[in-house]
Amino acid sequence: DARVTQTPRHKVTEMGQEVTMRCQPILGHNTVFWYRQTMMQGLELLAYFRNRAPLDDSGMPKDRFSAEMPDATLATLKIQPSEPRDSAVYFCASGLGLMASENTGELFFGEGSRLTVL
Amino acid sequence: SQQGEEDPQALSIQEGENATMNCSYKTSINNLQWYRQNSGRGLVHLILIRSNEREKHSGRLRVTLDTSKKSSSLLITASRAADTASYFCATDGGANSKLTFGKGITLSVRP
Repeated sequence: DARVTQTPRHKVTEMGQEVTMRCQPILGHNTVFWYRQTMMQGLELLAYFRNRAPLDDSGMPKDRFSAEMPDATLATLKIQPSEPRDSAVYFCASGLGLMASENTGELFFGEGSRLTVL
Repeated sequence: SQQGEEDPQALSIQEGENATMNCSYKTSINNLQWYRQNSGRGLVHLILIRSNEREKHSGRLRVTLDTSKKSSSLLITASRAADTASYFCATDGGANSKLTFGKGITLSVRP
């Protein structure tokens, strides 16, 4: 049963610490998205990769956030240094671009990484 | 910033009734998708409708799309208590076809 795997599921850390969240997309998927979900802002797109190349990270605070795909089986989202306002649930999702187009089709979401920064 | 905006923000109905949720968006789209999220879980894809389609069905779900009004609706017929969840519309449009989500609708189905 193919699924997107995210680790850690829960993370509590102190302000100023580095946080790394990892995602294993579904094998064969060529798009990977990182979203952040909070009650106030809803789901915010942080970064988007297609064929491992970053296409859009305009939603990500560049001074402290970074997203990479070292290989096709791993996507990482790093926050350094973390701040209390970064507390949220971070979701990774993967999918296939629709045939004969660059459009985004169905996305498969992981269960999320719940981050609490004290 | 979110592309889609759902309406209403919250909906409470009795089991067996139909639930209608609406989504409006601002710019042109390639497709529109609806997702469901149970509390504490990830989002699950429900249905995708392309910009050249007007209506689509999947089981108890019916989705319509009106590109002239930039709006979509999701109808769940004969609702069940298990349909209680948050529902999101997401639009694929603009540069690089990124998928952006609305803030969601909380649906409560009373047994």
